[in-house]
Amino acid sequence: DAGITQSPRHKVTETGTPVTLRCHQTENHRYMYWYRQDPGHGLRLIHYSYGVKDTDKGEVSDGYSVSRSKTEDFLLTLESATSSQTSVYFCAITPDRGLPHEQYFGPGTRLTVT
Amino acid sequence: ELKVEQNPLFLSMQEGKNYTIYCNYSTTSDRLYWYRQDPGKSLESLFVLLSNGAVKQEGRLMASLDTKARLSTLHITAAVHDLSATYFCAVDGGATNKLIFGTGTLLAVQP
Repeated sequence: DAGITQSPRHKVTETGTPVTLRCHQTENHRYMYWYRQDPGHGLRLIHYSYGVKDTDKGEVSDGYSVSRSKTEDFLLTLESATSSQTSVYFCAITPDRGLPHEQYFGPGTRLTVT
Repeated sequence: ELKVEQNPLFLSMQEGKNYTIYCNYSTTSDRLYWYRQDPGKSLESLFVLLSNGAVKQEGRLMASLDTKARLSTLHITAAVHDLSATYFCAVDGGATNKLIFGTGTLLAVQP
């Protein structure tokens, strides 16, 4: 158990509203990631972080922003939700001490944008 | 740009049979990861392959890595229903700890 929680676990929101998803870890690892999972696409990286206030874009970052003001929390914000952002969102971490680049995943957040 | 392809995308097999899932990737990498995902659940790490020729086995699953061919295989021996899940491979994307995932293989083991 990598001690990763995500909140909320399910959310339904309307097009145009802002949404923030939270990822929390208990072990203070440096690397954290946000992915989205859609049928036929596997997992695609949205943003990742390599420390407090250190973040970078992944392959599908348009329409998303992130913040990491504390080691344990990595927030994903949809500035103005669209139906194409309906997806399952997973947070992941890479343990500071462990096999190179191995990632452990949180339970996921199912987001529906109507 | 690193691309990761899995095949087949869907595999229906009978209990007791053997089969192999293939993971091809497009650029040089020495590290490959296999994950399992049950329906509605998160991803669980299965194997981490860190060098050419690496082989890992657990139960009825065996994974191998050929970095020269840019190919990893996940071999299923004498399948049982409990192995039904989606299996993902992921390749080390470079210095920033990024992983690039394949699209997944949905395995359905029929009694």
